[in-house]
Amino acid sequence: SQKIEQNSEALNIQEGKTATLTCNYTNYSPAYLQWYRQDPGRGPVFLLLIRENEKEKRKERLKVTFDTTLKQSLFHITASQPADSATYLCALVVYNQGGKLIFGQGTELSVKP
Amino acid sequence: DAGVIQSPRHEVTEMGQEVTLRCKPISGHNSLFWYRQTMMRGLELLIYFNNNVPIDDSGMPEDRFSAKMPNASFSTLKIQPSEPRDSAVYFCASTLEGGGLGNEQFFGPGTRLTVL
Repeated sequence: SQKIEQNSEALNIQEGKTATLTCNYTNYSPAYLQWYRQDPGRGPVFLLLIRENEKEKRKERLKVTFDTTLKQSLFHITASQPADSATYLCALVVYNQGGKLIFGQGTELSVKP
Repeated sequence: DAGVIQSPRHEVTEMGQEVTLRCKPISGHNSLFWYRQTMMRGLELLIYFNNNVPIDDSGMPEDRFSAKMPNASFSTLKIQPSEPRDSAVYFCASTLEGGGLGNEQFFGPGTRLTVL
């Protein structure tokens, strides 16, 4: 069956450390993978998109990797800050499905000062 | 631009009542998506439209749910009759889509629905 799995446990880290979140998928052939941030009571907000032929993408303190052999994406936040505390969602875009996103369950990140 | 607008923000209703959720996408976007989010099931796509035409409604849970997009600036999601298990946060999102590029989606603030 098709599955997208993110760390189900909340991730607690100390300010200044690097947070690493995982997104694994099975039985999908995604064309793209996107990461979103969601704060309580709000809708998800787009952060980064990575294509299947890209290994890595960076934006400020954020870095995303995409390994289609391992069927995994890693999302890193370097020099984390308490303001980075939120739930992070990965989403797959599958070929020939018109840009439809399929979301993982999300990982809650808490950065302690 | 004001972003994606949803109304109402909160809705409390009794089982069996009709519920209508509304969405105004970002001007110029040609694709609109309705999602439902619960703790148990996460964020699920219900239906999406491209150029006002429903493309994929495979996520609509059952016939009690229906969605329309009469024009490029307005969409509704209707539940009739509502049931307690429909309680969730419903999000609308829009994007400028072409050829399945998977562009970023812009989400509205959501409607929190509680069915008693």
